[in-house]
Amino acid sequence: DQQVKQNSPSLSVQEGRISILNCDYTNSMFDYFLWYKKYPAEGPTFLISISSIKDKNEDGRFTVFLNKSAKHLSLHIVPSQPGDSAVYFCAAIPTNAGNMLTFGGGTRLMVKP
Amino acid sequence: EADIYQTPRYLVIGTGKKITLECSQTMGHDKMYWYQQDPGMELHLIHYSYGVNSTEKGDLSSESTVSRIRTEHFPLTLESARPSHTSQYLCASSLTGNTIYFGEGSWLTVV
Repeated sequence: DQQVKQNSPSLSVQEGRISILNCDYTNSMFDYFLWYKKYPAEGPTFLISISSIKDKNEDGRFTVFLNKSAKHLSLHIVPSQPGDSAVYFCAAIPTNAGNMLTFGGGTRLMVKP
Repeated sequence: EADIYQTPRYLVIGTGKKITLECSQTMGHDKMYWYQQDPGMELHLIHYSYGVNSTEKGDLSSESTVSRIRTEHFPLTLESARPSHTSQYLCASSLTGNTIYFGEGSWLTVV
């Protein structure tokens, strides 16, 4: 059973607007969440993370929100740029799992000029 | 910026051949990982290591094997490749902490 889910396989956004990528999880023992960006034929690149004791973390154009009661997190990109077009993976680390990432299925973001 | 290198980046080999995918990192990270990703699918952990002479299998069963004789090197070997092994293999590493850094991946096609 998939513990981290990204229910939207793709998202299309106009340049300059906000992109919101969503992720749901089922395991309450996850205590750290990360977002990775992946271009075709390349490895994932770390974007931003959040600890389960926080509800928001911001880094430049990227903000991650965590709603523990809903077991939901989201990545906001503002403003979106064509170079942001990639597949975005949500990942989670369980408590005492020693950096063992569980990944969601990914969401392909397309930012149109 | 992470310094983790994978070779080869792309490889096409015949069924039954033995192949080793190389992974090296220059950051002194003690933890290293191999993930497998089929196109459009999620990444699955197939092997990990917490240090020299430590190797464990991950969530996804794999016929590949790994070794960790040196801190910086974590090669993955398929003794007899099959078409079902066609996939992208991603090596990663981390220090103590929660951020894992990935290499650029090795695309393997078995024909």
